[in-house]
Amino acid sequence: EPEVTQTPSHQVTQMGQEVILRCVPISNHLYFYWYRQILGQKVEFLVSFYNNEISEKSEIFDDQFSVERPDGSNFTLKIRSTKLEDSAMYFCASSDSRSGTQYFGPGTRLLVL
Amino acid sequence: GESVGLHLPTLSVQEGDNSIINCAYSNSASDYFIWYKQESGKGPQFIIDIRSNMDKRQGQRVTVLLNKTVKHLSLQIAATQPGDSAVYFCAEKGAGGGNKLTFGTGTQLKVEL
Repeated sequence: EPEVTQTPSHQVTQMGQEVILRCVPISNHLYFYWYRQILGQKVEFLVSFYNNEISEKSEIFDDQFSVERPDGSNFTLKIRSTKLEDSAMYFCASSDSRSGTQYFGPGTRLLVL
Repeated sequence: GESVGLHLPTLSVQEGDNSIINCAYSNSASDYFIWYKQESGKGPQFIIDIRSNMDKRQGQRVTVLLNKTVKHLSLQIAATQPGDSAVYFCAEKGAGGGNKLTFGTGTQLKVEL
Protein backbone atom coordinates (compact mmCIF):
# COMPACT_ATOMS: atom_id res chain seq x y z
CA GLU A 1 0.00 0.00 0.00
CA PRO A 2 1.43 3.40 -0.98
CA GLU A 3 2.45 5.60 1.91
CA VAL A 4 3.98 8.96 2.68
CA THR A 5 7.57 8.74 3.86
CA GLN A 6 9.61 11.32 5.75
CA THR A 7 13.29 11.80 6.54
CA PRO A 8 14.95 12.11 8.90
CA SER A 9 12.89 10.52 11.65
CA HIS A 10 14.71 12.64 14.23
CA GLN A 11 16.64 15.87 13.89
CA VAL A 12 18.51 17.74 16.61
CA THR A 13 19.75 21.23 15.81
CA GLN A 14 21.07 24.33 17.49
CA MET A 15 18.93 27.43 17.74
CA GLY A 16 19.50 29.68 14.75
CA GLN A 17 20.47 26.87 12.43
CA GLU A 18 18.63 25.99 9.24
CA VAL A 19 16.88 22.65 8.90
CA ILE A 20 15.29 20.93 5.93
CA LEU A 21 12.68 18.27 6.51
CA ARG A 22 12.00 15.95 3.62
CA CYS A 23 8.90 14.13 2.48
CA VAL A 24 8.03 11.81 -0.36
CA PRO A 25 4.27 12.03 -0.91
CA ILE A 26 2.21 9.21 -2.40
CA SER A 27 3.19 9.08 -6.05
CA ASN A 28 -0.06 10.03 -7.80
CA HIS A 29 -1.02 12.71 -5.29
CA LEU A 30 -1.07 16.35 -6.30
CA TYR A 31 -1.78 18.16 -3.02
CA PHE A 32 0.80 18.34 -0.29
CA TYR A 33 0.68 19.57 3.28
CA TRP A 34 2.81 20.18 6.33
CA TYR A 35 1.45 20.00 9.86
CA ARG A 36 3.18 20.11 13.20
CA GLN A 37 2.41 18.76 16.65
CA ILE A 38 4.06 20.20 19.71
CA LEU A 39 4.45 17.55 22.40
CA GLY A 40 1.14 16.88 24.12
CA GLN A 41 -0.80 19.23 21.90
CA LYS A 42 -3.02 18.85 18.87
CA VAL A 43 -1.92 18.68 15.29
CA GLU A 44 -1.72 22.13 13.67
CA PHE A 45 -1.86 23.02 10.00
CA LEU A 46 1.14 24.85 8.56
CA VAL A 47 0.81 24.99 4.80
CA SER A 48 -0.76 23.40 1.74
CA PHE A 49 0.89 23.23 -1.68
CA TYR A 50 -0.48 22.55 -5.12
CA ASN A 51 0.78 23.10 -8.63
CA ASN A 52 4.13 24.34 -7.37
CA GLU A 53 2.76 27.07 -5.21
CA ILE A 54 1.40 27.60 -1.73
CA SER A 55 -2.38 27.44 -1.73
CA GLU A 56 -2.93 28.16 1.94
CA LYS A 57 -0.82 28.83 5.02
CA SER A 58 -1.42 29.39 8.70
CA GLU A 59 -0.20 32.14 11.00
CA ILE A 60 2.54 29.80 12.19
CA PHE A 61 4.03 29.65 8.69
CA ASP A 62 5.95 32.91 8.82
CA ASP A 63 8.93 34.13 6.77
CA GLN A 64 11.21 31.64 8.51
CA PHE A 65 9.39 28.78 6.81
CA SER A 66 9.43 27.79 3.17
CA VAL A 67 8.34 24.79 1.13
CA GLU A 68 9.59 23.43 -2.13
CA ARG A 69 9.04 20.58 -4.52
CA PRO A 70 12.56 20.31 -5.91
CA ASP A 71 11.81 17.35 -8.17
CA GLY A 72 8.97 15.05 -9.10
CA SER A 73 8.99 13.09 -5.88
CA ASN A 74 10.21 15.18 -2.93
CA PHE A 75 8.46 17.87 -0.92
CA THR A 76 10.53 19.80 1.61
CA LEU A 77 9.95 22.13 4.54
CA LYS A 78 12.79 24.51 5.38
CA ILE A 79 13.10 26.46 8.60
CA ARG A 80 15.74 29.13 8.06
CA SER A 81 16.67 30.06 11.61
CA THR A 82 15.24 27.65 14.11
CA LYS A 83 13.86 28.75 17.45
CA LEU A 84 13.35 26.73 20.61
CA GLU A 85 9.60 26.84 20.06
CA ASP A 86 10.00 25.12 16.68
CA SER A 87 10.63 21.87 18.55
CA ALA A 88 7.79 19.58 17.50
CA MET A 89 6.81 16.62 15.36
CA TYR A 90 6.43 17.71 11.75
CA PHE A 91 4.05 15.70 9.60
CA CYS A 92 3.83 15.72 5.85
CA ALA A 93 0.56 14.69 4.21
CA SER A 94 -0.71 14.31 0.67
CA SER A 95 -4.02 13.86 -1.10
CA ASP A 96 -5.01 13.04 -4.65
CA SER A 97 -7.47 15.88 -4.89
CA ARG A 98 -8.47 19.04 -3.07
CA SER A 99 -11.25 17.23 -1.23
CA GLY A 100 -9.48 13.89 -1.01
CA THR A 101 -8.39 12.12 2.12
CA GLN A 102 -5.10 13.40 3.49
CA TYR A 103 -2.63 10.64 4.25
CA PHE A 104 0.06 11.40 6.77
CA GLY A 105 3.68 10.37 6.99
CA PRO A 106 5.30 9.06 10.18
CA GLY A 107 6.71 12.47 11.06
CA THR A 108 10.08 14.04 11.83
CA ARG A 109 10.79 14.85 15.43
CA LEU A 110 12.66 18.15 15.53
CA LEU A 111 14.46 19.21 18.68
CA VAL A 112 15.96 22.69 18.82
CA LEU A 113 18.53 23.24 21.56
CA GLY B 1 -13.67 31.35 15.09
CA GLU B 2 -13.62 27.69 14.21
CA SER B 3 -12.69 25.13 16.81
CA VAL B 4 -12.89 21.41 17.19
CA GLY B 5 -12.80 19.89 20.63
CA LEU B 6 -13.14 16.58 22.39
CA HIS B 7 -15.17 15.81 25.46
CA LEU B 8 -12.83 13.44 27.32
CA PRO B 9 -9.06 13.27 27.32
CA THR B 10 -8.90 9.55 28.30
CA LEU B 11 -11.25 6.63 27.77
CA SER B 12 -10.62 3.19 29.26
CA VAL B 13 -12.56 0.17 27.99
CA GLN B 14 -12.39 -3.57 28.44
CA GLU B 15 -11.29 -5.66 25.51
CA GLY B 16 -14.34 -6.77 23.56
CA ASP B 17 -16.52 -3.87 24.70
CA ASN B 18 -17.69 -1.12 22.39
CA SER B 19 -15.98 2.28 22.55
CA ILE B 20 -17.57 5.63 21.91
CA ILE B 21 -15.36 8.67 21.40
CA ASN B 22 -17.03 12.05 21.17
CA CYS B 23 -16.17 15.31 19.51
CA ALA B 24 -17.82 18.72 19.43
CA TYR B 25 -17.34 21.38 16.82
CA SER B 26 -18.34 25.00 16.92
CA ASN B 27 -18.63 26.06 13.30
CA SER B 28 -22.00 25.20 11.80
CA ALA B 29 -20.52 25.76 8.33
CA SER B 30 -18.18 22.77 8.71
CA ASP B 31 -19.00 20.30 5.97
CA TYR B 32 -16.51 17.46 6.25
CA PHE B 33 -15.26 15.54 9.25
CA ILE B 34 -12.58 12.92 9.64
CA TRP B 35 -11.44 10.62 12.39
CA TYR B 36 -7.76 9.85 12.69
CA LYS B 37 -5.96 7.37 14.93
CA GLN B 38 -2.49 8.16 16.18
CA GLU B 39 -0.34 5.51 17.78
CA SER B 40 2.65 6.52 19.84
CA GLY B 41 5.46 7.88 17.68
CA LYS B 42 3.48 7.61 14.46
CA GLY B 43 1.58 9.94 12.19
CA PRO B 44 -2.22 10.26 12.14
CA GLN B 45 -3.86 7.34 10.37
CA PHE B 46 -7.15 7.87 8.54
CA ILE B 47 -10.04 5.85 9.97
CA ILE B 48 -13.29 7.14 8.53
CA ASP B 49 -14.86 10.33 7.28
CA ILE B 50 -18.32 11.80 6.90
CA ARG B 51 -19.79 14.72 5.02
CA SER B 52 -22.35 17.06 6.45
CA ASN B 53 -25.12 15.72 4.22
CA MET B 54 -24.94 12.39 6.07
CA ASP B 55 -25.86 11.38 9.63
CA LYS B 56 -24.08 8.07 9.80
CA ARG B 57 -21.36 6.18 8.05
CA GLN B 58 -20.06 2.71 8.74
CA GLY B 59 -16.72 1.10 8.14
CA GLN B 60 -15.13 -2.07 9.33
CA ARG B 61 -15.85 -2.17 13.10
CA VAL B 62 -16.21 1.62 13.14
CA THR B 63 -19.20 3.89 12.81
CA VAL B 64 -19.24 7.67 12.72
CA LEU B 65 -22.36 9.57 13.74
CA LEU B 66 -22.92 13.22 12.97
CA ASN B 67 -25.51 15.35 14.75
CA LYS B 68 -25.54 18.72 13.06
CA THR B 69 -28.23 20.08 15.36
CA VAL B 70 -25.94 19.98 18.37
CA LYS B 71 -22.69 20.03 16.36
CA HIS B 72 -21.53 16.72 17.71
CA LEU B 73 -19.57 13.90 16.16
CA SER B 74 -18.87 10.44 17.57
CA LEU B 75 -16.74 7.47 16.66
CA GLN B 76 -17.96 4.05 17.71
CA ILE B 77 -15.56 1.13 17.72
CA ALA B 78 -17.14 -2.29 18.01
CA ALA B 79 -15.47 -5.12 19.92
CA THR B 80 -12.51 -2.99 20.95
CA GLN B 81 -9.15 -4.73 20.66
CA PRO B 82 -5.76 -4.01 22.25
CA GLY B 83 -4.56 -2.75 18.87
CA ASP B 84 -7.16 -0.01 19.06
CA SER B 85 -5.24 1.66 21.89
CA ALA B 86 -4.20 5.06 20.56
CA VAL B 87 -5.11 8.72 20.55
CA TYR B 88 -8.12 9.49 18.42
CA PHE B 89 -8.56 12.88 16.80
CA CYS B 90 -11.49 14.33 15.02
CA ALA B 91 -10.67 16.84 12.33
CA GLU B 92 -12.77 19.25 10.38
CA LYS B 93 -12.38 20.72 6.96
CA GLY B 94 -14.17 23.26 4.94
CA ALA B 95 -15.49 25.70 7.48
CA GLY B 96 -13.08 28.44 6.52
CA GLY B 97 -12.59 27.37 2.96
CA GLY B 98 -9.48 25.71 1.62
CA ASN B 99 -8.47 22.15 2.36
CA LYS B 100 -6.58 22.46 5.62
CA LEU B 101 -7.59 20.17 8.45
CA THR B 102 -8.39 21.58 11.88
CA PHE B 103 -7.75 18.97 14.55
CA GLY B 104 -9.26 18.53 17.97
CA THR B 105 -7.17 17.88 21.07
CA GLY B 106 -7.50 14.09 21.00
CA THR B 107 -8.84 11.30 23.23
CA GLN B 108 -6.53 8.63 24.55
CA LEU B 109 -8.22 5.23 24.25
CA LYS B 110 -6.86 2.58 26.57
CA VAL B 111 -7.98 -1.01 26.11
CA GLU B 112 -7.73 -3.13 29.22
CA LEU B 113 -7.30 -6.88 28.93
